[in-house]
Amino acid sequence: DQQVKQNSPSLSVQEGRISILNCDYTNSMFDYFLWYKKYPAEGPTFLISISSIKDKNEDGRFTVFLNKSAKHLSLHIVPSQPGDSAVYFCAASGVRGGSYIPTFGRGTSLIVHP
Amino acid sequence: DTGVSQNPRHKITKRGQNVTFRCDPISEHNRLYWYRQTLGQGPEFLTYFQNEAQLEKSRLLSDRFSAERPKGSFSTLEIQRTEQGDSAMYLCASSLRALNTGELFFGEGSRLTVL
Repeated sequence: DQQVKQNSPSLSVQEGRISILNCDYTNSMFDYFLWYKKYPAEGPTFLISISSIKDKNEDGRFTVFLNKSAKHLSLHIVPSQPGDSAVYFCAASGVRGGSYIPTFGRGTSLIVHP
Repeated sequence: DTGVSQNPRHKITKRGQNVTFRCDPISEHNRLYWYRQTLGQGPEFLTYFQNEAQLEKSRLLSDRFSAERPKGSFSTLEIQRTEQGDSAMYLCASSLRALNTGELFFGEGSRLTVL
């Protein structure tokens, strides 16, 4: 059973427009939600996170919104740039063995066209 | 380069052979994680170490898999009697206890192909 779901395998947007990536989760015990970005032939890199007690976190062009009642979060990228083209993984962290261990979704491939 | 280092980057083996992957975390990080990623899936958690202690294991880590971190620095992941279903990218990550929110630093991965 997938606890973190990214239902859109791909997303295509024009440079300068907004990219919105969505994620749903099933476990209400998660404490943190994170987004990772992955380029081909590289490991995932952390992008931005949000605590479960907040509903918005912003870092430059990237904003993550959390709707706990709907168990839904989204990543907004404004304005989108061609260098943002990558696979974006949504992840949710709960405590296991004394550490917050992220559970990942399947990823959404973002393509930003010049 | 002071990032997470994984070796080998690629391994092709025949079914039934044993393989071992090595991970060197960022030097000051005391936590080390192994994940597996198959095509079309996100990274799936396998196991986690704090220093040399293995504190959590996923049910994905069958008896054929063993991970060690003998001196609390580098780690090895061994797969015995490999099967075709073991073909995947094996990702290692590390973190600092102070960043304990799930923010991990990943290596580039070791890709395993079992023929």
